[in-house]
Amino acid sequence: EIVLTQSPGTLSLSPGERATLSCRASQSISSNYLAWYRQKAGQAPRLLIYGASSRATGTPDRFSGSGSGTDFTLTISRLEPEDLAVYYCQQYGSSPTSFGQGTKLEIK
Amino acid sequence: EVQLLESGGDLLQPGGSLRLSCVGSGFSFNNYAMNWVRQAPGKGLEWVSGISGGGATKNYADSVKGRLTISRDNSKNTVYLQMNNLRADDTAVYYCAKDPNTSGRTDYFDSWGQGTLVTVSS
Repeated sequence: EIVLTQSPGTLSLSPGERATLSCRASQSISSNYLAWYRQKAGQAPRLLIYGASSRATGTPDRFSGSGSGTDFTLTISRLEPEDLAVYYCQQYGSSPTSFGQGTKLEIK
Repeated sequence: EVQLLESGGDLLQPGGSLRLSCVGSGFSFNNYAMNWVRQAPGKGLEWVSGISGGGATKNYADSVKGRLTISRDNSKNTVYLQMNNLRADDTAVYYCAKDPNTSGRTDYFDSWGQGTLVTVSS
């Protein structure tokens, strides 16, 4: 099973700043099959990015995904208060699919 | 609009059984694989099981093999998770999640339900 390690564990930034979240895999992810989700408190996760860099329907263009192989990044270009959440990466290139442990994004 | 509505969560004792249901609407249910993903209190996400659009292919996480069974009834737009011999570490919110494809190969999850809580405790 592929293990995903997200960093940092917690990120505290101010509105308007840029956030960079990392997801590192224990082995190369086939076809860059890497997705990102946002989970606000008390809510279900919501898909943001799939295929490492494709935005899901409704995802603002402030969100961008990049990376390949074992190293992937989610960038939020201009933070808004609503971005307060936990962000998870998921690999679906190898079975079984697996998630990272999450990065908590705090808005100052 | 895609909607997924789970039900069936409950409080039960170790060794007990439970069946979760998830009704889908707003899409052609039989054309998409469906999955269950769980989240223990204060913890991250764990994929549990998936089933192809036609129901022929089923996959399970090692942690639940032999105890949980996924099935679907496309005439009712419903996917089920039969949970047997439950343990304390099965305690979690169970989410129903839609796959963007029909095959039994699990992809990403483009829609999620609101979740149903299963608590296993003596």
